[in-house]
Amino acid sequence: DTGVSQNPRHKITKRGQNVTFRCDPISEHNRLYWYRQTLGQGPEFLTYFQNEAQLEKSRLLSDRFSAERPKGSFSTLEIQRTEQGDSAMYLCASILGGLAGGGYNEQFFGPGTRLTVL
Amino acid sequence: AQSVAQPEDQVNVAEGNPLTVKCTYSVSGNPYLFWYVQYPNRGLQFLLKYITGDNLVKGSYGFEAEFNKSQTSFHLKKPSALVSDSALYFCAVRRLPSGNTPLVFGKGTRLSVIA
Repeated sequence: DTGVSQNPRHKITKRGQNVTFRCDPISEHNRLYWYRQTLGQGPEFLTYFQNEAQLEKSRLLSDRFSAERPKGSFSTLEIQRTEQGDSAMYLCASILGGLAGGGYNEQFFGPGTRLTVL
Repeated sequence: AQSVAQPEDQVNVAEGNPLTVKCTYSVSGNPYLFWYVQYPNRGLQFLLKYITGDNLVKGSYGFEAEFNKSQTSFHLKKPSALVSDSALYFCAVRRLPSGNTPLVFGKGTRLSVIA
């Protein structure tokens, strides 16, 4: 257990429905990342936050995806109008970043949320 | 752009034998390299990292990795494999500029240790 938790662990939904995932990082970690992992591939970066500010979004993050970290603690990732191609494992990671983290720390990953879109 | 290649989808090794999982990278400037392991239905667990200094990096569970700048490689090694080492292994490079930027991962190598 890395200390990063994600809920739910599994989500099955029908195409066109909206889903929301939650990530609770390690409490003192100021940076939070979302990745997507499909079968046979390594994780791919989606977006990341420093505190409550969303600093970067990948081109993978279409308009149907939105992420928030309203108080700089937990984060949510919402997918609207899900498509079958959204089926994947969604991973969250946190890190003590910036000057406080020295710039070289490793990321701590949660167990992931596996999304299946029927 | 930064990238990582893991040329082997699968590596099979007998228990007690040494193991090597290969990784090569492409990055402009100094690379910051990482190895993670993923067990079924689990997230990624950090094994080790190379930032600077000694080319041989020691990590968790008896794993080590050798950084080779001329060959742009960062191969993961263990002197004596255990059945419990069977898992999916990912090599990753920190995208530049650094400072806790997102990781770029390889496709992963499945290690199977046979008793």
